Amino acid sequence: GESVGLHLPTLSVQEGDNSIINCAYSNSASDYFIWYKQESGKGPQFIIDIRSNMDKRQGQRVTVLLNKTVKHLSLQIAATQPGDSAVYFCAETRTPLAGGGNKLTFGTGTQLKVEL
Amino acid sequence: ETGVTQTPRHLVMGMTNKKSLKCEQHLGHNAMYWYKQSAKKPLELMFVYNFKEQTENNSVPSRFSPECPNSSHLFLHLHTLQPEDSALYLCASSQDLLAANSPLHFGNGTRLTVT
Repeated sequence: GESVGLHLPTLSVQEGDNSIINCAYSNSASDYFIWYKQESGKGPQFIIDIRSNMDKRQGQRVTVLLNKTVKHLSLQIAATQPGDSAVYFCAETRTPLAGGGNKLTFGTGTQLKVEL
Repeated sequence: ETGVTQTPRHLVMGMTNKKSLKCEQHLGHNAMYWYKQSAKKPLELMFVYNFKEQTENNSVPSRFSPECPNSSHLFLHLHTLQPEDSALYLCASSQDLLAANSPLHFGNGTRLTVT
C-alpha cells in the first residue's frame, strides 16, 4: 500500500505486506529529516533519520528514501506487523551546520492500520 | 520506559485553576522542550531550554509559564487557560540543541482538558 503525503491520512495494509508512507516537505534548504512513530496513548518515538547528503538509509525493517529534487521523503516498512499500527510523521529541519536554527517542522502524520 | 517521564498523564482543570505539568528526563540530555499536540495539527513547539536557559519562546501566551530548575527537570505552569488549550502536551529532550545525530526523545505526554 502507498499513501500520498498529507492528503491521505490513513493507510491500511495486510499483515506481512510492505508499507510505504510518504511525506512532502516544504523547505528546500532542510538538511536533516526524521521519521517518528506515535502509538495510541504514547509520545512520538524516533524511528530513523537521514541527512540531505544521502538518498537512502536502512534500519531494522525500515528504509527511508529522500528525493531532494521533488522534496519528498518516504518511509518503507518491510513485512508490516500489527505492532506497526500507529501514526507516522516526518519532520524536517535546517540544522545550524547548514545555516539554520534548531526548529523541527512536523507533518500532521499518516495513520497506518495493519489488518490481520 | 522512554527515559522521559511526564506527570500527570491526564489533567482536567477549570479556566480559573492553576496547575503544573512536570517532566523529568533520565538520559543526561542538555536540552528540553515543550510541544503542544492538537488533533489533526502538526506538533507545535512552545519552549526550548538548553542547559537550564530558555532559548526559544514560540509566541506562547503568558498563561503558559515554563520553569527549568536543572537540566533534568522541566515544568509548565498553567493558569487561566481557555478551552482551546485542551491538547496533549509533550515534553522532549535531546543531547544538544537539535542537530543531526541528536534527535528528540519524547515523553508520553499529559492529556489536558480545560472545562
